[in-house]
Amino acid sequence: QSVLTQPPSVSAAPGQTVTISCSGRSSNIGKNLVSWYQQFPGTAPKLLIYENNKRPSGIPDRFSGSKSGTSATLGITGLQTGDEADYYCETWDSSLSGAVFGGGTKLTVL
Amino acid sequence: EVQLVESGGGLVQPGGSLRLSCVASDFTFSTYTMNWVRQTPGRGLEWVSYISSRSSTIYYADSVKGRFTISRDNAKNSLYLQMNSLRDEDTAIYYCARDPTGTGWSFDYWGRGTPVTVS
Repeated sequence: QSVLTQPPSVSAAPGQTVTISCSGRSSNIGKNLVSWYQQFPGTAPKLLIYENNKRPSGIPDRFSGSKSGTSATLGITGLQTGDEADYYCETWDSSLSGAVFGGGTKLTVL
Repeated sequence: EVQLVESGGGLVQPGGSLRLSCVASDFTFSTYTMNWVRQTPGRGLEWVSYISSRSSTIYYADSVKGRFTISRDNAKNSLYLQMNSLRDEDTAIYYCARDPTGTGWSFDYWGRGTPVTVS
């Protein structure tokens, strides 16, 4: 069971917008910054969002992140079939003295 | 382009040992915190261990504490994970990941991973 809670799956049609939630506690999301990763089958995770809402170079602005209290959200607009992947949230847990991940959310673009 | 290449994975019996390596290139390895993260189909991504740039700060997940040892050799641009007393539940793909801020809350580059099977 993961420390951070994500929905197992979300789906939407091409062109639509989807959000993925990530719920934590005061010791992790409530205190530290959140990252999001995108992972395609058979490949390593790729940093998508860091420090709650910043995008690394090369990540399109269709991807956005936000944080409020002990929850974070990843938003994807203008969905494309190529966005079908697993998405993970991550942060540091100050009580555990370790990084923690969400269980992952599988995005299906119908 | 930053590269991280893991090696050392394989098949090992329960109770056995393995030493994973991760060789870094195209960045100043000695100035970055590094981490090991593993992934299993059933449990998703699980952080394993953290080591600061000069090895002064080290953290472990409770699931591996006392059995795994993280280390690094900055002269060789290399990160290591010594895994002892291996258990079935340690079966996973093991990734090394660069931590650009040393805070543990983002990993900007990952290797392709090395598979470990305990059986």
